[in-house]
Amino acid sequence: DTEVTQTPKHLVMGMTNKKSLKCEQHMGHRAMYWYKQKAKKPPELMFVYSYEKLSINESVPSRFSPECPNSSLLNLHLHALQPEDSALYLCASSQEGAAGGLSTDTQYFGPGTRLTVL
Amino acid sequence: AQSVTQLGSHVSVSEGALVLLRCNYSSSVPPYLFWYVQYPNQGLQLLLKYTSAATLVKGINGFEAEFKKSETSFHLTKPSAHMSDAAEYFCAVSGRRRTAGNKLTFGGGTRVLVKP
Repeated sequence: DTEVTQTPKHLVMGMTNKKSLKCEQHMGHRAMYWYKQKAKKPPELMFVYSYEKLSINESVPSRFSPECPNSSLLNLHLHALQPEDSALYLCASSQEGAAGGLSTDTQYFGPGTRLTVL
Repeated sequence: AQSVTQLGSHVSVSEGALVLLRCNYSSSVPPYLFWYVQYPNQGLQLLLKYTSAATLVKGINGFEAEFKKSETSFHLTKPSAHMSDAAEYFCAVSGRRRTAGNKLTFGGGTRVLVKP
């Protein structure tokens, strides 16, 4: 099974709302990622978790708060977002997360959550 | 720092014709290169990857790519386009990890349109 699942598929929220995006994988992968993708643009890395610890934060605003409760789950908590945060949010996972190794691991992507902030 | 440049944001091909998508990389360390495809309203799917084992890499759906160090290129080809190849294609580069996780740097993407 090489599937990464994401819920919900679509989310509409106001600027004062609090919501969460969920990502799940059961491939035994130890690295998990959040990307943001605007229309007609490539994915932009937001966060990387390795062995359930945050290893990379690409200077993302604090209104985005990631959480990795266990090795299979990754959440992205959203609060006080702006309309410009509307985008497709992609989750991905890869097998090996340790630093210093060869970064040839394939990242497996979920279908994404289409977020609209009103 | 590593980067990839995809030449041509849009490519239009006729069904049955050759598909050629161009990718050039810049890297201070031996690069590892990936091609991903994204169908409308979906996530990214790996087509193929170069990890230094062989310069000609074969992937899924009839795609292949050749790593040319002298040209710093990793162009993607498919001999005969099919209507189902209409999608967005991304080239990406990574290198030896300095931090945990595989940090990919993506090119700007090339949208492929297939004409009947």
